Amino acid sequence: GAVVSQHPSRVICKSGTSVKIECRSLDFQATTMFWYRQFPKKSLMLMATSNEGSKATYEQGVEKDKFLINHASLTLSTLTVTSAHPEDSSFYICSARAGGAYNEQFFGPGTRLTVL
Amino acid sequence: QKEVEQDPGPLSVPEGAIVSLNCTYSNSAFQYFMWYRQYSRKGPELLMYTYSSGNKEDGRFTAQVDKSSKYISLFIRDSQPSDSATYLCAMSSGTYKYIFGTGTRLKVLA
Repeated sequence: GAVVSQHPSRVICKSGTSVKIECRSLDFQATTMFWYRQFPKKSLMLMATSNEGSKATYEQGVEKDKFLINHASLTLSTLTVTSAHPEDSSFYICSARAGGAYNEQFFGPGTRLTVL
Repeated sequence: QKEVEQDPGPLSVPEGAIVSLNCTYSNSAFQYFMWYRQYSRKGPELLMYTYSSGNKEDGRFTAQVDKSSKYISLFIRDSQPSDSATYLCAMSSGTYKYIFGTGTRLKVLA
């Protein structure tokens, strides 16, 4: 149980275009989903916390107008990278919280974004 | 000083060796300690979690937490080539926010 999927797994786009990444909890309802970014050989950095039906909470230094997050249902959150630039190229990983005493997060397989 | 420090490696060991992976941290509010395994170009997979201090064992894996020293460890016994991956420690004070280490790349040689 507790499976999280992401789509697409890999995307290549031209500079200036927008890219949407989906995160789904497949067998549980996730009131909270998280979006992380990971650069090569670097740690996962939390970008934002997404709560179903409300606005996302962004971490310091993350541009909310550039990284649009929508959490329309208890099983789906989307991250849209708007007007993507090469420096946005990274590995984007979502996770979903299924409740529990220590707020366990289940991670998706990640989406590799390459902006040309 | 980073909140969580982890040696990035790489760490190469022969098959069957005992592997010791470690993280240190500075925030005394951390109560929950996790170890994740991440294969190349994949999402992290939870291996172990520990609440507060103590040891926890699961098969070939043992997690240790020493809150007085702000030091956590993951031991892998009888390491296998399939254990080759990046191991990330993560910590939480009990809120939603996880703080991750940079990860240690492990290579187990057949």
